[in-house]
Amino acid sequence: DVVMTQSPLSLPVTLGQPASISCSSSQSLVYSDGNTFLHWFQQRPGQSPRRLIYQISNRDSGVPDRFSGSGSGTDFTLKISSVEAEDVGVYYCMQGTHWPRTFGQGTKVEIK
Amino acid sequence: EVQLLESGGGLVQPGGSLRLSCAASGFTFSSYGMSWVRQAPGKGLEWVSGISTNGGSTYYADSMKGRFTISRDNSKTTLYLQMNSLRAEDTAVYFCVKGATSFDYWGQGTLVTVSS
Repeated sequence: DVVMTQSPLSLPVTLGQPASISCSSSQSLVYSDGNTFLHWFQQRPGQSPRRLIYQISNRDSGVPDRFSGSGSGTDFTLKISSVEAEDVGVYYCMQGTHWPRTFGQGTKVEIK
Repeated sequence: EVQLLESGGGLVQPGGSLRLSCAASGFTFSSYGMSWVRQAPGKGLEWVSGISTNGGSTYYADSMKGRFTISRDNSKTTLYLQMNSLRAEDTAVYFCVKGATSFDYWGQGTLVTVSS
C-alpha cells in the first residue's frame, strides 16, 4: 500500500500569517496516463471533508485563492498564504492513483 | 447540486451485519465511480471501498476484504455497503463519496456503532 506521510501533524498559526503542510508518498503518484491523483481535503470541526485541491494544484470551485497546492512525484505541499479563522480544521492529503486509496494522517490547523 | 444522502447506520452487536445506502442526486450517477470512506471517533479518514461505474470492478481495504461488499444500483442512483462480521473497530462515521479517484463530493455520513 502507498503510505502517505504528512507533516506537521499540528500547526498553530497566527491569523494573517502563512501556513504550509507537507505530504509525501512512499511511491510515485504519477498514473500511467501522466496524471497525478494527489488531492487535498479540509475538514472543519463537525463537518464532512471537503475537497480543496485536486491533482496537485487545481483549486475546487469556491475555494479561496489563498489556498494553493504544488509538488510532483512523491512530494507535495499545501500552502495557505494568509490564514483566516475559518481555515481552522484538519487537512488531509490523499492519493487516488493506486489501489487501495490512502490518506495522510491529517494536520490539525489551529489559531495561536 | 450534487447530493449524497447516507442511511442505514445504527447500533449493532459484534458479529452482526448492517447495510448502508447512499442516495445520490444532482449528477449522472452511472458515469462515476463511487467510494466509501470512514472515520472512527476522533481519528483520521480511512478509505473503505470503491466501485466502478457499472459495478464490474470493486476494491477494498485489506481489513474489510471478505466482510464488506460494495454495490450499486444505477437505476436507483444508489450506492450500498453491506457490512458483515462487524467488529468494535468498525465503529465509525461512514461517508459516501462521489468518484473512485476524484473524491469531489462527500455526504454527511452515517454513524455505525458496534457494541454489545
